[in-house]
This record gives sequence, C-alpha cells and structure tokens, in this order.
Amino acid sequence: EAQVTQNPRYLITVTGKKLTVTCSQNMNHEYMSWYRQDPGLGLRQIYYSMNVEVTDKGDVPEGYKVSRKEKRNFPLILESPSPNQTSLYFCASSSRTGLQETQYFGPGTRLLVL
Amino acid sequence: AQSVAQPEDQVNVAEGNPLTVKCTYSVSGNPYLFWYVQYPNRGLQFLLKYITGDNLVKGSYGFEAEFNKSQTSFHLKKPSALVSDSALYFCAVRDIRTSGNTPLVFGKGTRLSVIA
Repeated sequence: EAQVTQNPRYLITVTGKKLTVTCSQNMNHEYMSWYRQDPGLGLRQIYYSMNVEVTDKGDVPEGYKVSRKEKRNFPLILESPSPNQTSLYFCASSSRTGLQETQYFGPGTRLLVL
Repeated sequence: AQSVAQPEDQVNVAEGNPLTVKCTYSVSGNPYLFWYVQYPNRGLQFLLKYITGDNLVKGSYGFEAEFNKSQTSFHLKKPSALVSDSALYFCAVRDIRTSGNTPLVFGKGTRLSVIA
C-alpha cells in the first residue's frame, strides 16, 4: 500500500530534550516536506526537500532541522524543543517536483513540549 | 505572495442538503488549486485539484469544486451532504509561475458539521 508513515504519532517531552520525528514514504517520491498545523493558522511549511541531499527552509524553519540521506526518509529534528513547538506535524511527499503533483500526507505527529 | 482565504470557520448543514465550503485565492500568475479533508485524528486526504481545463472539477466522495478565475474562487460543493462528511476542510494553492520550491499554501480550514 502506498503511504507516508510517521513515528511517533504522539509525543510528550520537556523543554530542551532533543527529539526526532521520522517520516518515510514508499512511493519513490522525490519531493518531501514537513508542515506544522496550529489552530486558526492552517498548515505552514517548515522544511522541504527536492531530492536526496537537497533540503531548504520553508516558511517557519526556526528551531528545526532536517536531513535527506535516503530518498524514502525525511526526519524532522528538534535539537532543543520549546513549548511554542507544541503542534501537530505532518510529513508529505509527491512525485517529481511538478507543480501539479498531488502531495500525500502522513497521519500526523502530535507533539507536546512541557 | 500567494495566499488562500477560507472566510468561514464553521459551516453547518442538514443531512441531505447541498453544501458549499468557500475558498478564495491570490496568486501572481495562474493557480493550481487543491482541496484536502481532515477527519478527526487523521491526516490530510486529497479530495480534488484544478490544474487546467474544465472549470468544474469532480473529486472523491461525491465532492466537486468550481474554479472561477474572475472571482478568484474555488468553492467546494456537494449536492447532498452526509453526516460522514463532517470534517475539517482545507483549500490550498500553488502559483504556477514560481519555480524551485513550490509549497502548498493552505487556508486556515473550515469545519463542516452535517447534522442528521
């Protein structure tokens, strides 16, 4: 089954404790992206990757890092989480980088930073 | 810069009645437009998209949307609502004139409640 998976689905942590949210897709997609969803703000892009070893900042990159060592994986790293990073996070992927391509989303990771 | 507006935070409709969820957009060039739905505790699911061609686009679960260039709108519609349609709906846009990173720009979402 074609899908985007994220782990963990739920995470409670404390300020300053490094964490990683994994994202994996099995559709051989070149383009992957991370979004955060906050009430009243919709989804905002954090980072994106056009292909392996190619990553760049989205609209709200502060406090986050990513890596793209393999095509299928695109982990999101919070080196020193803060309470304002409490949010719902979605990973997405799409084939090629064509503008008309549909992005497929993972199930989301709900993060609470205390 | 591109932007999307969903003017209604909440839409209530009785089961069996037609529903409309509104979306307007702003882009420099021509838009690619998408609708996604989010059910409780689930990720976003693609409903439909407008790329080019016929202004009326048909999508999943009986939904359709009409692209109106003069009004810069892309309203989501369904002729007969079901209780199971109750969810959070997001409109999103890409400007086809941009190159490189082309993130989807999302609206804030509209919560649809279908009442039996």
